[in-house]
Formats: sequence, C-alpha cells, structure tokens
Amino acid sequence: GEDVEQSLFLSVREGDSSVINCTYTDSSSTYLYWYKQEPGAGLQLLTYIFSNMDMKQDQRLTVLLNKKDKHLSLRIADTQTGDSAIYFCAESLYSGGGADGLTFGKGTHLIIQP
Amino acid sequence: DGGITQSPKYLFRKEGQNVTLSCEQNLNHDAMYWYRQDPGQGLRLIYYSQIVNDFQKGDIAEGYSVSREKKESFPLTVTSAQKNPTAFYLCASSPRRQETQYFGPGTRLLVL
Repeated sequence: GEDVEQSLFLSVREGDSSVINCTYTDSSSTYLYWYKQEPGAGLQLLTYIFSNMDMKQDQRLTVLLNKKDKHLSLRIADTQTGDSAIYFCAESLYSGGGADGLTFGKGTHLIIQP
Repeated sequence: DGGITQSPKYLFRKEGQNVTLSCEQNLNHDAMYWYRQDPGQGLRLIYYSQIVNDFQKGDIAEGYSVSREKKESFPLTVTSAQKNPTAFYLCASSPRRQETQYFGPGTRLLVL
C-alpha cells in the first residue's frame, strides 16, 4: 500500500540546521520529492531525488535517502525565519496501472525560534 | 512569465450550486492534476489528465468533474453532489506524465 509519514511539527533555533524526516512504504517509488508551502499559498518544489541515489545537495538543502529503511530526510542548513513553512514529502509510484498523482505526507510545520 | 494560474483565489458556494475553479498553464505541459487539501492533511488527488481530451479519476473523484479541451486549461467543477466541498484546491502540471509536478497558488472554496 501507499503511505507517507512525517512528524507534524519541528522547532529549531535560527541559525541551526533543521532535519525533517519522512518514511514511505512503497518500495516501487521512483522519485521522492520535498515541497514547501507557506501560509495560504501553493506548493513550491524544493528538491527531489531519484530512487537509485542516496544523497543530493543543493545549496543549503541536503536530501538523504535510505532505501533499505524507506527513510527520506531533508536537512536545511543555517535555518532562517524565511524557512518557516510546512514541508511535504511526496512519492511517485508510476509503477504502471496506477494513477499518476503523487502520494503526500501530512506535512511538517517548521517553526523557527529567534 | 511562465507559470500556473488559478482563479479565483477565494470562491463561495451556496447549497445545491455547482462552481467551477479555473486552472491555466503556459508551460506547454502535457499533464495536469487537481488535488484537494484539508487542514492538517496532505494533498489528495481528485482528477488528472495526461493529454488533451483525456482525463482519469484520482482517489477522491466523487462529486467533481473536469474537462480538458485545451492543453493550457484544466477546469474543475465542484458539483452539488460533493457534500463537503470546503477545502483548498491545488492545480499542478508536469511536462509529461510521470514527471515532476509544479503547483499553482490554489483556490480556497468556502460554503455559505
């Protein structure tokens, strides 16, 4: 079955690193995504990783993928107040025969303390 | 300036009324999607379209209808059969099916 799990809240101090975790259940996932949503807005694509990779870095963002444990994480270095948002993990299955949509977690609210 | 636009930003529906949410993209993407977001929930797929004049039901299609007469446009109608329509509706598109999806700004639908 398809299920993506995330913690609902994460609180970090400004300037520290934030690590947002996600677990997924379907081993046939092809791509895994991180999206950011600010209040009242749509989803902004942050980064994605193909399932045959184990790490991807893009400026302050580092994505780690552990396929064996079906665990995905997003690390944000030097967290700023502008990083305050909801972060969604999503997987694409595309295993043929299923719908083309993404399966989303419920989102992690990142709260920045001054 | 390329992107995905959704209108209106807020929409009010009366009992028994059908309402239509607009989604337009000028990215030349083949595939388009509609998702529903409820408070504290992830997004759930309503309908998707891989190509013009073709669309498929997602996980929660009951009470909704779509059309795809033009590549750029994928309107969603929330019918009176949808008993709990209050939600945030997000449209997305991807270059082709099974590729990275990009989202519009969303429409918030409220029931009077």
